[in-house]
Amino acid sequence: DGGITQSPKYLFRKEGQNVTLSCEQNLNHDAMYWYRQDPGQGLRLIYYSQIVNDFQKGDIAEGYSVSREKKESFPLTVTSAQKNPTAFYLCASSTGRLRTMNTEAFFGQGTRLTVV
Amino acid sequence: DQQVKQNSPSLSVQEGRISILNCDYTNSMFDYFLWYKKYPAEGPTFLISISSIKDKNEDGRFTVFLNKSAKHLSLHIVPSQPGDSAVYFCAASAYGNKLVFGAGTILRVKS
Repeated sequence: DGGITQSPKYLFRKEGQNVTLSCEQNLNHDAMYWYRQDPGQGLRLIYYSQIVNDFQKGDIAEGYSVSREKKESFPLTVTSAQKNPTAFYLCASSTGRLRTMNTEAFFGQGTRLTVV
Repeated sequence: DQQVKQNSPSLSVQEGRISILNCDYTNSMFDYFLWYKKYPAEGPTFLISISSIKDKNEDGRFTVFLNKSAKHLSLHIVPSQPGDSAVYFCAASAYGNKLVFGAGTILRVKS
């Protein structure tokens, strides 16, 4: 089945540690995105990539890093520089440009990151 | 600066009645708008979208209306069902680039 997979579903990190969240898609989508959800704040864009080997910062990129070495994969690293990393992280992908009617971004099931 | 705003944090509706969820935006470059539905601890699922060249798009019980002059869009759900209870997010894109989301509205449909 085609889809977008995030792993792990739950992740615990000690303060000061880097951690990498996985996002894989087999939809042959060019674009991939990382969002963070905090209670009452909707989805805020961390990073996005429109094509392999290229990515742009979103609204809250500080303390995060990404890579896009393969079309299928867009891992997100939460570094120790991120001051408040506990949140629900969502990865999404879409086919090319979101302009044509009925194109959409597909989301993974999310990763809940907790700093302990 | 919040470019997409959903000013109602929650909405409660009786089963069978109409649910109207509202969204305002400030960026006049937005040309594509989407509505997503989300349950706790899950990823959002796509509901319906509309391009800025249209003012209405319908899909079954869901209709999205776009008023470009007011920079306002709304999602109508008729009739509302208990299974519609979820968080609804409005999102917008300019020239096919990144999706910007609103804060969401919690819809509760009472049976």
